[in-house]
Amino acid sequence: KQEVTQIPAALSVPEGENLVLNCSFTDSAIYNLQWFRQDPGKGLTSLLLIQSSQREQTSGRLNASLDKSSGRSTLYIAASQPGDSATYLCAAQGGSEKLVFGKGMKLTVNP
Amino acid sequence: DAGVTQSPTHLIKTRGQHVTLRCSPISGHKSVSWYQQVLGQGPQFIFQYYEKEERGRGNFPDRFSARQFPNYSSELNVNALLLGDSALYLCASSPRDRGLIQPQHFGDGTRLSIL
Repeated sequence: KQEVTQIPAALSVPEGENLVLNCSFTDSAIYNLQWFRQDPGKGLTSLLLIQSSQREQTSGRLNASLDKSSGRSTLYIAASQPGDSATYLCAAQGGSEKLVFGKGMKLTVNP
Repeated sequence: DAGVTQSPTHLIKTRGQHVTLRCSPISGHKSVSWYQQVLGQGPQFIFQYYEKEERGRGNFPDRFSARQFPNYSSELNVNALLLGDSALYLCASSPRDRGLIQPQHFGDGTRLSIL
């Protein structure tokens, strides 16, 4: 059974810092790993998706890496801004449409 | 292009009642999945439907059911509502082309509150 963990549960940083968000999963037989952003009371916005054959993906100030052998993914946010404040979730997808999510990490970027 | 749309956006029910939540996938997407997100937790998988057939089911009681219509829209039904059913219910769609697994696209969800 796949389990996804995100530690810490919350992070508060000053504006401008470079951030590393961690995600670990127990079953390395994944099809892809996806990072989402969720604003309060809202749905999920997909940020980056890494296929199992890939090592990393980049979009603007975001970079996500995947290490299947160690069961880890990392989301790197460069030069954080107050607008980056949200909850970030990672989700592992196996051989079906089902996504297994972590509990998320609440990020607060202070001006 | 319209994204995944869900209705209603908010709903208040009392214990024991029944509720129906609706989801319209992105045009051309044939797969719809439902998730429950309790406050402070990550979303939990409930159902997946593809071509009007159930293709996956999470660990939820039989009070939860769903169906998919010929236009690929979907309904999630919950009977005999409990206080613990209070949550954000999310719908996701994907193209599912030629059997390939595709990324999921989520709607804004329905906030269900049980009194």
